[in-house]
Amino acid sequence: QQQVKQSPQSLIVQKGGISIINCAYENTAFDYFPWYQQFPGKGPALLIAIRPDVSEKKEGRFTISFNKSAKQFSLHIMDSQPGDSATYFCAASSPGGGADGLTFGKGTHLIIQP
Amino acid sequence: AAGVIQSPRHLIKEKRETATLKCYPIPRHDTVYWYQQGPGQDPQFLISFYEKMQSDKGSIPDRFSAQQFSDYHSELNMSSLELGDSALYFCASSLVRGNEQFFGPGTRLTVL
Repeated sequence: QQQVKQSPQSLIVQKGGISIINCAYENTAFDYFPWYQQFPGKGPALLIAIRPDVSEKKEGRFTISFNKSAKQFSLHIMDSQPGDSATYFCAASSPGGGADGLTFGKGTHLIIQP
Repeated sequence: AAGVIQSPRHLIKEKRETATLKCYPIPRHDTVYWYQQGPGQDPQFLISFYEKMQSDKGSIPDRFSAQQFSDYHSELNMSSLELGDSALYFCASSLVRGNEQFFGPGTRLTVL
């Protein structure tokens, strides 16, 4: 059972546009929701993360929106650039003292067209 | 800024052989996590350690074992390798209460 469902699987956005990736989770014990960016053959890089006590967090061109009641969260990339072309993963973890492993979504392959 | 160091970066083994992957966390980070990522797949959590003790366990096969040492580095030991073990293996580190996990560059394991 996929505990974190991510959509879309792939996304093509024009340069300068807004890229939106969505995730939904089942486990109400999850309390930490990060987004990672991964280029081929490289390790996932932490982009931005949120906890359920806030509904939105913005860092530069990246914004997370969080809806606790719907158990959904999304990543918005404003002014998308060709260099943003990568695979994006949402993830979640539960408290457990802070050393719990992350549960990842299946990933979104994002292509920004020049 | 210093990042997570993994060695080796590439490893080729035959079926039924053993492999040892090493991970050196970011300085001052005391928690280490291991993940396995197959081609086109999302990373799958294997196991984590805090203060040399196993903290959380995911989908780690019984053929695999891991430990964390007093200097906080960790090693993932893989025995009786199978073709399906071919994957990227990532180590991540964090401060226990931070939750922010920072990933290393990975070790690409190929089993022939």
